[in-house]
Amino acid sequence: SAVISQKPSRDICQRGTSLTIQCQVDSQVTMMFWYRQQPGQSLTLIATANQGSEATYESGFVIDKFPISRPNLTFSTLTVSNMSPEDSSIYLCSVGGAPDEQYFGPGTRLTVT
Amino acid sequence: QKEVEQNSGPLSVPEGAIASLNCTYSDRVSQSFFWYRQYSGKSPELIMSIYSNGDKEDGRFTAQLNKASQYVSLLIRDSQPSDSATYLCAVTMIKAAGNKLTFGGGTRVLVKP
Repeated sequence: SAVISQKPSRDICQRGTSLTIQCQVDSQVTMMFWYRQQPGQSLTLIATANQGSEATYESGFVIDKFPISRPNLTFSTLTVSNMSPEDSSIYLCSVGGAPDEQYFGPGTRLTVT
Repeated sequence: QKEVEQNSGPLSVPEGAIASLNCTYSDRVSQSFFWYRQYSGKSPELIMSIYSNGDKEDGRFTAQLNKASQYVSLLIRDSQPSDSATYLCAVTMIKAAGNKLTFGGGTRVLVKP
């Protein structure tokens, strides 16, 4: 499976600021996804990052809050904008394998104060 | 009703015993089924995929799928303390595009020496 890295691994941010999380894959992949895992909870899909077009967001997530870029088949970014303490979570990118499998990056642990 | 349901646990299992984890899903035409293992502070790791009714074995792990009952399970034989983790059931829903996964809440497993 692909090797996936994320930057930063963790960060502490002040409310009202924004953080951009990077996801890098060591091979070209068609499907990339961004998830959120709130403390003690399971994973919730934020959006599918589409190469060359706008991301597809899940219900409850909007582009203004979570803008996503996917400039090529190995890289994507997720920005968490205008942060509040409720945004404190682990943010995970994943890549799609076949058939339907997904492999996760190490995650970014975000704390908003 | 949640789309993917799991008993949150903890499931306490003596070392060497069989751990049995269950998962039910609501979408009758779901296609693909996965078990992920997540150690505390780490990202989910794919351990089993199953696509058709019956059993699938991989080492000490056996996944069982019953589409008529909308039920998927994971057996861990000869449980080891290193198996102590949260196990996440994930399902690909037919109504979703691409590889979109829906996760259950996870079952925490504790293997006691």
